[in-house]
Amino acid sequence: GAVVSQHPSWVICKSGTSVKIECRSLDFQATTMFWYRQFPKQSLMLMATSNEGSKATYEQGVEKDKFLINHASLTLSTLTVTSAHPEDSSFYICSAPSLRGVADTQYFGPGTRLTVL
Amino acid sequence: KQEVTQIPAALSVPEGENLVLNCSFTDSAIYNLQWFRQDPGKGLTSLLLIQSSQREQTSGRLNASLDKSSGRSTLYIAASQPGDSATYLCAVLIQGAQKLVFGQGTRLTINP
Repeated sequence: GAVVSQHPSWVICKSGTSVKIECRSLDFQATTMFWYRQFPKQSLMLMATSNEGSKATYEQGVEKDKFLINHASLTLSTLTVTSAHPEDSSFYICSAPSLRGVADTQYFGPGTRLTVL
Repeated sequence: KQEVTQIPAALSVPEGENLVLNCSFTDSAIYNLQWFRQDPGKGLTSLLLIQSSQREQTSGRLNASLDKSSGRSTLYIAASQPGDSATYLCAVLIQGAQKLVFGQGTRLTINP
């Protein structure tokens, strides 16, 4: 099946620094990717939809200036957490829909654990 | 606003038992419903996808049903094994917005 990778798998940073997380579709192209965050023992919450060649669409309550998304190519989307604070510590997961489109299954990356000290 | 609820939040059963996980959603305007498995600290693995026009899907020991009109889905696991221990998430794909809304998950433990 299709594979989505994320890098890094975990990162620890100091408060106030910026962190970039990469999401790659390894064997297929994805014009759309999705970014989720998951707090401990909670479910996934969609943060934004990343669109290749255009601006990302952010969910209500998600600060677009804090969570910068760049869909640089058909296989790569990046999420940059700017000026990270301890409350940004979370598990960030990306996904990409199958070639049959968004209405088909989505393939999820393994996630990135961010810890802000 | 679509809301997805999963019951129970946690379930612990002995190996070999058959079990049912429940998922309900408030808005029937969905494209499909998916069941995922998540192991601790890991990403999601898709288990079954049911299109809105379908009633059920089966894969091995797993069977998922969908009753769109009542806003309910169940995931049936037959002959449970310790390797089935994980968190099971259901998610609906909203029509129009084309985004997934997840339930809180059911944390399943199968005891040897």
